[in-house]
Amino acid sequence: GQNIDQPTEMTATEGAIVQINCTYQTSGFNGLFWYQQHAGEAPTFLSYNVLDGLEEKGRFSSFLSRSKGYSYLLLKELQMKDSASYLCAVRDLRNDYKLSFGAGTTVTVRA
Amino acid sequence: ETGVTQTPRHLVMGMTNKKSLKCEQHLGHNAMYWYKQSAKKPLELMFVYSLEERVENNSVPSRFSPECPNSSHLFLHLHTLQPEDSALYLCASSQDGGTEQFFGPGTRLTVL
Repeated sequence: GQNIDQPTEMTATEGAIVQINCTYQTSGFNGLFWYQQHAGEAPTFLSYNVLDGLEEKGRFSSFLSRSKGYSYLLLKELQMKDSASYLCAVRDLRNDYKLSFGAGTTVTVRA
Repeated sequence: ETGVTQTPRHLVMGMTNKKSLKCEQHLGHNAMYWYKQSAKKPLELMFVYSLEERVENNSVPSRFSPECPNSSHLFLHLHTLQPEDSALYLCASSQDGGTEQFFGPGTRLTVL
C-alpha cells in the first residue's frame, strides 16, 4: 500500500515563495503527480516527476528524491489565485491506473 | 462541451432511494475513473475502467455499482446508501494508465 503525508495548511504572503512537502512510503513507486484544486472545483494537473531532480514550469517547480521518498512543490511569486488545495499523488508500480493521494495541503495567500 | 462533465452537480437522496451519477469525457481517452472525496481525507479511488473493462475495484461496497457502456461514458448507480456516503464524487479520464488524469467538477452527494 501507500502512505502519503503532506502538511494540512500553509499560509504565505502575496509575492512570496511557498514550498509544500510530500513524503511517501510505498510498496512500489512509479511516479509522483501534483494537482491543484480550488474550492468547489475539479483537481487540475500541475506536474509529474518519475526521475530524481527538479522540473520547472513557470512559477511552479516540483522536485523528487526517490531514495528519500520525498517530493516538494515550490510556488514562486505567489498570487491570490494560488490559494487552493495542493494534492500529492503517487502512482503504483504494479498498476499504472492506480493513484494514491495525500489529504492535500490548503495554501492561503494573503495580501 | 469540453473536458470531463458530470451530472448532476448536486444530489440529495434518502437512504432508500436509487439514483445514478453520470460522467462524460470529450477528450478521446480510453480510461475512466470514479473517486470519492470526503472532507479532510485523501481522494479515494473507487473504480477504474480501461477500454470499457473494469480494471480496478478498490473494495467498494456493493451499494455502489459502476457501468461503462462505452469509452466516453461512465455511470455510478447508487442504492441503499448510508449517511457516511455523503461526499464529493469525482470522475476522471486519461489516455492509458500512465498519463495525467483529467477530472470533472464532481457531484456533491448528500445522503439523509
